[in-house]
Amino acid sequence: EDQVTQSPEALRLQEGESSSLNCSYTVSGLRGLFWYRQDPGKGPEFLFTLYSAGEEKEKERLKATLTKKESFLHITAPKPEDSATYLCAVEDVQGAQKLVFGQGTRLTINP
Amino acid sequence: GAGVSQTPSNKVTEKGKYVELRCDPISGHTALYWYRQSLGQGPEFLIYFQGTGAADDSGLPNDRFFAVRPEGSVSTLKIQRTERGDSAVYLCASTLGGGAGETQYFGPGTRLLVL
Repeated sequence: EDQVTQSPEALRLQEGESSSLNCSYTVSGLRGLFWYRQDPGKGPEFLFTLYSAGEEKEKERLKATLTKKESFLHITAPKPEDSATYLCAVEDVQGAQKLVFGQGTRLTINP
Repeated sequence: GAGVSQTPSNKVTEKGKYVELRCDPISGHTALYWYRQSLGQGPEFLIYFQGTGAADDSGLPNDRFFAVRPEGSVSTLKIQRTERGDSAVYLCASTLGGGAGETQYFGPGTRLLVL
């Protein structure tokens, strides 16, 4: 059974303090790993898709990386508007296009 | 439309009642997905449509839950004899072709509260 575990569950940073969020996963075969951002009361907003180990993608202050067992979301010099819950999800080669999500990391950036 | 839309945005009902939740996918998207998100948790898969047919309904928790997509566009999630444990945010997502590895774009969700 596919499993996705995110850590930490919650993280508080000062503005400008860089850090990383972790997503560990277990799948029979990885078709894709997805990162989403979710603001309170809203649906998940797509950030990145990673398909193979060693792949990296960047967008503004965010950079996602992938290994065979985990993915990291690096946040460089964050701003208060980066505060949100970050969700990681995997699609298994045997999963018929359904996503299996982790429980999310609640990130708070204090000014 | 510009994005996935869901109606109503909030629904309060009483235990035992029947509810319908609607999803309007991005125009031209052929695949549609329903997920359920409980407080503090990630979304959990319910059902996936490719066109009009349910390609995978393995996530539906029991036979009180049913979903349709009669014309391959709008979908309705139907819950019979609602229970307090059905309270959650119901999310809908769509993809252009439903192919492997495609990005799923989510709507804002319907917040269901069963009293």
